[in-house]
Amino acid sequence: DAKTTQPNSMESNEEEPVHLPCNHSTISGTDYIHWYRQLPSQGPEYVIHGLTSNVNNRMASLAIAEDRKSSTLILHRATLRDAAVYYCILGANSKLTFGKGITLSVRP
Amino acid sequence: KAGVTQTPRYLIKTRGQQVTLSCSPISGHRSVSWYQQTPGQGLQFLFEYFSETQRNKGNFPGRFSGRQFSNSRSEMNVSTLELGDSALYLCASSRGEVPSGNTIYFGEGSWLTVV
Repeated sequence: DAKTTQPNSMESNEEEPVHLPCNHSTISGTDYIHWYRQLPSQGPEYVIHGLTSNVNNRMASLAIAEDRKSSTLILHRATLRDAAVYYCILGANSKLTFGKGITLSVRP
Repeated sequence: KAGVTQTPRYLIKTRGQQVTLSCSPISGHRSVSWYQQTPGQGLQFLFEYFSETQRNKGNFPGRFSGRQFSNSRSEMNVSTLELGDSALYLCASSRGEVPSGNTIYFGEGSWLTVV
């Protein structure tokens, strides 16, 4: 399975944009890039996913590099409720291989 | 639209016993996957069922098994429980097409403690 590399942690200030990076140099042509987040004692929550083009939804934006070897999750205005572990995952089917994720802390 | 429902939410079992966990996917979803989450190993894929057939399997011993019914509901079973099986077991559902841009939705999980 293709692997992703994320920093262990990141801090942000409330109401400021947050850019969470992810490297996936061994991505295959059929791998989608998925982002999930998880709060303590809860199941992972879908954030966004994409294949080649940048994607936007009500929660976030996903910027995918032209060579698809990296991507960035963008939270446009961080809130305290965005503090969570964010997972960048590659998958071509319903099998997701989770890494350790990045822990996002949001300062008031 | 109801989300993925898992039962029971919490349970305690004794070593050597077996346990069955249940998952009801989102209506219309034909794929159900199971994951184990522990502090040491993180989130690990157990298996995936699609239209009552196991389509993918992770690296877990044969004590871990599952099945899917015609209504897409799924159960997973762990036999001969070990202390190390204590974990959060998560069920996820999606429409299931492959290759997939499907959104995968997770339930809240079943917390299993083995004593």
